Formats: sequence, C-alpha cells, structure tokens
Amino acid sequence: GQQVMQIPQYQHVQEGEDFTTYCNSSTTLSNIQWYKQRPGGHPVFLIQLVKSGEVKKQKRLTFQFGEAKKNSSLHITATQTTDVGTYFCAGSSSSASKIIFGSGTRLSIRP
Amino acid sequence: DTGVSQNPRHKITKRGQNVTFRCDPISEHNRLYWYRQTLGQGPEFLTYFQNEAQLEKSRLLSDRFSAERPKGSFSTLEIQRTEQGDSAMYLCASSLRGVLEWSYTFGSGTRLTVV
Repeated sequence: GQQVMQIPQYQHVQEGEDFTTYCNSSTTLSNIQWYKQRPGGHPVFLIQLVKSGEVKKQKRLTFQFGEAKKNSSLHITATQTTDVGTYFCAGSSSSASKIIFGSGTRLSIRP
Repeated sequence: DTGVSQNPRHKITKRGQNVTFRCDPISEHNRLYWYRQTLGQGPEFLTYFQNEAQLEKSRLLSDRFSAERPKGSFSTLEIQRTEQGDSAMYLCASSLRGVLEWSYTFGSGTRLTVV
C-alpha cells in the first residue's frame, strides 16, 4: 500500500537558522498537504500542493512538490521559537481518497 | 460553528471495557475521517465517511472498532473490549472539496488511556 516517509525525524536548530524537512512517497501522489502540530495539539493544515513542480510560499515557509509528484519539501528560513512543533506531510494517491501521513519531523529551537 | 468538535477530550478506561467517542464536524463538510495517533508517530488512517456512507475502513482496524455517521452529520467511534494497545489519541477530521482538492480540519482529539 501507499507509504509516506519523512526525514529527518528530529531537527534541533539555533534560532535564526534554516530548517528543511523532506517527504517521499512510494507511489505517485495526486496532491500533498503539510500540517503543523504543536506539542500537545492537533495537526493544523498549512498548505496543499497539487501540480508537478509546484512551489508555494507562506512568509518564511517554502513548500515544493517534485516533478514526479512523489516527493515534497518544506523549508523554513530564519527559524523563530514559534516554529517549534512537528511538521507532517500527508499525501493522497487520488483526489477522492484519504490522505496518508508521514511520520513527521520534530523541530526544536535553541533561543 | 468554529471547527471540529470531539468529545470527550480524555478517557481512561479499564481493559475490556467498551468506549465511544463522538465527533461533530464542520457543518458544511461532507467528509469525515477518523485517525489514530500514538506518541512520536503520524496520524494513522482508520476510516472515513462521505455523508452517511462509510467509504473505506483500514485493514489495520480490528473488528472491535466500529464507526457510524447515521445522518451524515456527527460520527461516533466505538471500541469494544479495549486493550492496552488501543491507548492513543483518536483524531477526527472533516473536509470539503475546495477549488482543486480537499483540505482537512482536525479536531482536538480524544486521548484514550486503557489501564
């Protein structure tokens, strides 16, 4: 079945440094979504990518969807303490199907 | 209606007991999903509904789990004869197809502890 893998599992950075998490799917995806989960919280939708090679930006966050629609990345520029949390990618093999989550990348930040 | 509501927030039960959780989705959302999340892992898909129809159920879900969405609005997830391995956060999400694709809104979850 469809599997979504995410690396790294953990990332500890100095405030102000950049952060990147990578997501790979075992199958071609119809779309990929990114979520942020704060400690003790629930996943909160960040963005959805649909088109091959798509790049979207939200302030300091840049999201990419691979040309083959099997991988994606999230890059945060100049991290801040408010960025702390676990970032999940979640992919769907078809627009009508459920999303499968990766295992997440937990970001912690040294002030 | 400000979001997806789940009740209870926490549930502690003895092994072998039955438990039921409730999810109230965003009113105009026609899809409703149940996921389970254990510590350090991503949410794991359990089942989903479109309106009142249960369209898919994970093969990982044992017969002790059952979900309903009788009128296409709220949903319940019941676990019978709970086991310690059922301890997890149970998340509900609802969605509505946007311009291109579906986006999900998650509830705060029900944390189940089986002792």
